[in-house]
Amino acid sequence: KNEVEQSPQNLTAQEGEFITINCSYSVGISALHWLQQHPGGGIVSLFMLSSGKKKHGRLIATINIQEKHSSLHITASHPRDSAVYICASRINSGGSNYKLTFGKGTLLTVNP
Amino acid sequence: DAGVTQSPTHLIKTRGQQVTLRCSPKSGHDTVSWYQQALGQGPQFIFQYYEEEERQRGNFPDRFSGHQFPNYSSELNVNALLLGDSALYLCASSSAGTGLYEQYFGPGTRLTVT
Repeated sequence: KNEVEQSPQNLTAQEGEFITINCSYSVGISALHWLQQHPGGGIVSLFMLSSGKKKHGRLIATINIQEKHSSLHITASHPRDSAVYICASRINSGGSNYKLTFGKGTLLTVNP
Repeated sequence: DAGVTQSPTHLIKTRGQQVTLRCSPKSGHDTVSWYQQALGQGPQFIFQYYEEEERQRGNFPDRFSGHQFPNYSSELNVNALLLGDSALYLCASSSAGTGLYEQYFGPGTRLTVT
């Protein structure tokens, strides 16, 4: 059974700070997703990665397959970054598994 | 490109009733997944539809059923509603052809069961 754990559960930062959110998973995966959810529900996909590192604007996602760990970094954080950040993994089962398993999310609040 | 759309946005039902939620996938996508997100929790996988068939199912009772139409849109049906079915229901679409299964999410339908 794949379990996805995120830390911290809650994070409060001052504008401009460097943010790191961590995600650990328990079994081999084919892909890991980082998602953003604002109050009210809608989920936006930020990254999908299976190895290495990806960068988009101020957001950076890294993954270490051997350690079963991924991190999401936000540089120069801004109040508009306030949201719930969720990681989700897809188990590597030879192509027969399609579902995502989600962590509980990290609530990020960036104060001006 | 309209992205993934869901209807209705909000819904209030009474215990024992039945509900149908709808999802239109992103243009070019042929696969639809449904997720249930209880308050304060991460989404839980309900099932996925591809080629008008349920391809994979999560740990949800048979009260939860679905359908995919030839135009790839999908419905989620829940029968005999329970209070515990109150949640945000998310639809996500992807393209099987890419092999990447990158999922694009809709805005969700907030279901309240009273």
